[in-house]
Amino acid sequence: NAGVTQTPKFQVLKTGQSMTLQCAQDMNHNSMYWYRQDPGMGLRLIYYSASEGTTDKGEVPNGYNVSRLNKREFSLRLESAAPSQTSVYFCASSVFQGDSTDTQYFGPGTRLTVL
Amino acid sequence: AQSVAQPEDQVNVAEGNPLTVKCTYSVSGNPYLFWYVQYPNRGLQFLLKYITGDNLVKGSYGFEAEFNKSQTSFHLKKPSALVSDSALYFCAVRDIEAGNNRKLIWGLGTSLAVNP
Repeated sequence: NAGVTQTPKFQVLKTGQSMTLQCAQDMNHNSMYWYRQDPGMGLRLIYYSASEGTTDKGEVPNGYNVSRLNKREFSLRLESAAPSQTSVYFCASSVFQGDSTDTQYFGPGTRLTVL
Repeated sequence: AQSVAQPEDQVNVAEGNPLTVKCTYSVSGNPYLFWYVQYPNRGLQFLLKYITGDNLVKGSYGFEAEFNKSQTSFHLKKPSALVSDSALYFCAVRDIEAGNNRKLIWGLGTSLAVNP
């Protein structure tokens, strides 16, 4: 049981390049999330998917797109990377079941640098 | 508006001493509260949560947290700190206004340094 996995672990891009961050979970969770973490800013939600087939914007969605490929996988795409997108990106998942408590479980993160 | 505050950016404590990391919240309705820990270059790990019931919640690694409704606080505590507890700690509350969209509202984090 790997939990939440993310690839790649590290990536360096040039301004204007595109890339996709991959996330998968094997816990049969309904909900999945993408966050970015920047010094002094805490965690900011980029996009989330409450259940398979749905996606919604979080606090900072500009410059990103997401795809909930199936129940296990939730990818984050940067179409044209900018230096402001240099950050550490975390994927998380949680159970969405009635009034459940929604504990989120996190992947190890992707450290992205945009030059 | 709903919010979570962690009033201390950094907490320093000597090994063996008790530690407290503070969190206050503002939500409408009954809060679901969480604590997470992040070790250097790692993802966040769930420590404990308060949903209902006993105001003192016990979690992983000997941590506990006390829910205080009148003070709208959920402080994280440990009776005897270890150097290995040095990490970044995040408090979060379920976003009740989000309805069925399951989101958490996060504090900015508190860096805990335990000195040998």
